[in-house]
Amino acid sequence: GAVVSQHPSWVICKSGTSVKIECRSLDFQATTMFWYRQFPKQSLMLMATSNEGSKATYEQGVEKDKFLINHASLTLSTLTVTSAHPEDSSFYICSARRRERTNYEQYFGPGTRLTVT
Amino acid sequence: AQTVTQSQPEMSVQEAETVTLSCTYDTSESDYYLFWYKQPPSRQMILVIRQEAYKQQNATENRFSVNFQKAAKSFSLKISDSQLGDAAMYFCAFTNAGNNRKLIWGLGTSLGVNP
Repeated sequence: GAVVSQHPSWVICKSGTSVKIECRSLDFQATTMFWYRQFPKQSLMLMATSNEGSKATYEQGVEKDKFLINHASLTLSTLTVTSAHPEDSSFYICSARRRERTNYEQYFGPGTRLTVT
Repeated sequence: AQTVTQSQPEMSVQEAETVTLSCTYDTSESDYYLFWYKQPPSRQMILVIRQEAYKQQNATENRFSVNFQKAAKSFSLKISDSQLGDAAMYFCAFTNAGNNRKLIWGLGTSLGVNP
């Protein structure tokens, strides 16, 4: 159990357009979902924390108007990159915490590779 | 500030041998959790092992074990009988209730396994 999916797995978009990435917990309810960004050969950088039904909490330096996060249900969170630019090209990973567990473990999606041309 | 330090950017090991990856952390909290995650070339993050700070016994998962030294704030990962499939990036991570259960990550160690 504890499977997290992301869609799409990779996407190419043109500068100025918006792209939406979905993160779903397939077999559990997630109280909290996290969105990360990862550059090649680097560690994960937390962008924001989202709790179901409430506004996301963004990390310092992350533009909330550019990276819109919606956590509409206990199994779905979305990240929308608005007015994308080439510097937004990156690998985006989501993770989720189970509702009923208290062991602080996060379950990770397979990631989404975004390329902005 | 809470930090996680992995001082070995790259390591290599011969197949079937044992390798130890180091990790140190800094926190003033007494209740926290430590993790080792593996990220293979597919980039899917995989939990290798978890350690609760209140447990004195070191966690083990098959060929993977940790040496948890709470006073020294050290959390090293030992991989025994290394296999080619163990080649990956390994990240040490820390979390506690005080930081809203966010994971604090080390920079990672790239492990190569030589046949």
